[in-house]
Amino acid sequence: SYVLTQPPSVSVAPGQTASITCGGNNIGSKSVHWYQQRPGQAPVLVVYDDIDRPSGIPERFSGSDSGNTATLTISRVEAGDEADYYCQVWDSFSDHPLVFGGGTKLTVL
Amino acid sequence: EVQLVESGGGLVQPGGSLRLSCAASGFSFSTFAMNWVRQAPGKGLEWVSYINSGSTNIYYADSVKGRFSISRDNAKNSLYLQMKSLRAEDTAVYYCARSRIGSYSQRLDYWGQGALVTVSS
Repeated sequence: SYVLTQPPSVSVAPGQTASITCGGNNIGSKSVHWYQQRPGQAPVLVVYDDIDRPSGIPERFSGSDSGNTATLTISRVEAGDEADYYCQVWDSFSDHPLVFGGGTKLTVL
Repeated sequence: EVQLVESGGGLVQPGGSLRLSCAASGFSFSTFAMNWVRQAPGKGLEWVSYINSGSTNIYYADSVKGRFSISRDNAKNSLYLQMKSLRAEDTAVYYCARSRIGSYSQRLDYWGQGALVTVSS
């Protein structure tokens, strides 16, 4: 089945830009979705279909997807952005179609 | 407002059974596919099972196949997960989540708050 690889942790200072990667075989040909999970809370969708944001998600959150890497970019990072972030794809040709990456802990220094 | 509320979690002995429920409101439940996703303590998200709107397409993760059964009752706006032969490694918070279908892909646009299942003697 399809595998998504994320770095376990990323650290960034407030006001700077954070980039969280998600690696997968030819992931550029798939739609990638990103979730934010704050401690003790349910996940929240922050980017879908590579680049789109649900209503209510700040423009500071953006995504890109090309080749073997998808990236979630958070601009002007705030303390409240500290959370775990997960990428996800839908593998239409698999009996296990919904795949999550292992997650990345974003620490705001 | 879309709401998903899980219930039925609790403490169960290894080898035991448990049935989770997810009550949906605020949207046309019968027209959306649904999922169960779990998260073991301190671990990442793990997709467990999927059911489409008409219950004609059902998928399971290998880790639960043959032990868990997903179902839904569109008349009651409810999603279920019947869990049997439970193991310690099934201990997790179980979330129900709504699927939103896009171009060749599905995303989870709404999640419940989760139900804790603890498998221990």
